[in-house]
Amino acid sequence: QVQLVQSGAEVKKPGASVKVSCKVSGYTLTELSMHWVRQAPGKGLEWMGGFDPEDGETIYAQKFQGRVTMTEDTSTDTAYMELSSLRSEDTAVYYCATLEYEAAAERVYYYYGMDVWGQGTTVTVSS
Amino acid sequence: EIVMTQSPATLSVSPGERATLSCRASQSVSSNLAWYQQKPGQAPRLLIYGASTRATGIPARFSGSGSGTEFTLTISSLQSEDFAVYYCQQYNNWPPVTFGGGTKVEIK
Repeated sequence: QVQLVQSGAEVKKPGASVKVSCKVSGYTLTELSMHWVRQAPGKGLEWMGGFDPEDGETIYAQKFQGRVTMTEDTSTDTAYMELSSLRSEDTAVYYCATLEYEAAAERVYYYYGMDVWGQGTTVTVSS
Repeated sequence: EIVMTQSPATLSVSPGERATLSCRASQSVSSNLAWYQQKPGQAPRLLIYGASTRATGIPARFSGSGSGTEFTLTISSLQSEDFAVYYCQQYNNWPPVTFGGGTKVEIK
């Protein structure tokens, strides 16, 4: 059974960067499609990006292109999300989550929703 | 980008009553639609995927239906632990994955 444990809360100044980690246990990171979703205070869920198993690449939401970098350390089964040029609007809880999928055949993939979530990391951007 | 619209924004229901939540996609997402439940201070929890398949451990009072652009989540008899915010999500045509704005189910 997959479990995701995220790093602790962060407080950053505008213009700084933040790097959030997500440690995987129960599976290896290479078997998973890891995604990042954020939630501003009192707001809904916003997808930031994730690993596309069909193309073997990490895809970012257009809104965050150029500011976000998602990486994986397969030696420690830890995923990272780094967001730069922080502004107050980036204050949010950041979640890692796995998008369950099945590679049924070449170029035929089925997806089954985001079934495992980390506990969330609160990032506060304030001067 | 596929826009997901949920209605109503807030649903007031008495315990034991039925709750019906709606989700509409701006274009067809086939059956690639999931529902999540989120309680205050917690991460979202997957309830339904494939529009109608319950995730592991989800009680039978939760059911999903629909395909294409119109979807429904039904909670047949609300329990106290079901009062929460519910989100729909499409993963048919991604990127991007998109979520609806949420429906808050509150005690009447």
